[in-house]
Amino acid sequence: QQPVQSPQAVILREGEDAVINCSSSKALYSVHWYRQKHGEAPVFLMILLKGGEQKGHDKISASFNEKKQQSSLYLTASQLSYSGTYFCGTEIKGGAQKLVFGQGTRLTINP
Amino acid sequence: DARVTQTPRHKVTEMGQEVTMRCQPILGHNTVFWYRQTMMQGLELLAYFRNRAPLDDSGMPKDRFSAEMPDATLATLKIQPSEPRDSAVYFCASGLVLGQPQHFGDGTRLSIL
Repeated sequence: QQPVQSPQAVILREGEDAVINCSSSKALYSVHWYRQKHGEAPVFLMILLKGGEQKGHDKISASFNEKKQQSSLYLTASQLSYSGTYFCGTEIKGGAQKLVFGQGTRLTINP
Repeated sequence: DARVTQTPRHKVTEMGQEVTMRCQPILGHNTVFWYRQTMMQGLELLAYFRNRAPLDDSGMPKDRFSAEMPDATLATLKIQPSEPRDSAVYFCASGLVLGQPQHFGDGTRLSIL
């Protein structure tokens, strides 16, 4: 039931782009994205509720493909502040109203 | 800004001792979640409450862990007796209904010696 994130880790230079994927074996009601910096709490980024929905703010955006039960997080022109571990969390359609998190993707941005 | 408050921030204790962690959710949020985070297991949901009623505690070892919400402003997670394998960061999060964001507290960093 746990969603699968890929890749597990990414190393970029400042200004480069990254894509983080999240796949589920179950039909999804929603996908949440969070970022966690070392030693801190996860911080909410965005929620996608509808198939085909795309959201974004600043240079971080995400899409939700309901048919494929997948979501992708896009980070463009990455900044040093984007470093951290990104988690997707999924709510299953018709299931318990709870979030199950993926294992996380560690993103390192170097100058 | 409204925040989820967790106490204590750090706890070091010996195996066998009782540990109590507390959480004050954001005012108005009706759902409270307890998570445990370790390097090996990632973020695991232990239990959650809606309107103070426990909805799911299937992620929690029943023999030693217990979670309660005595009132709308306080949720507690207890471990008795504690074991070294319980060492982790325990997060509390609060939110509203399905499809709404969860807001995390700063966590309790627990070390059982």
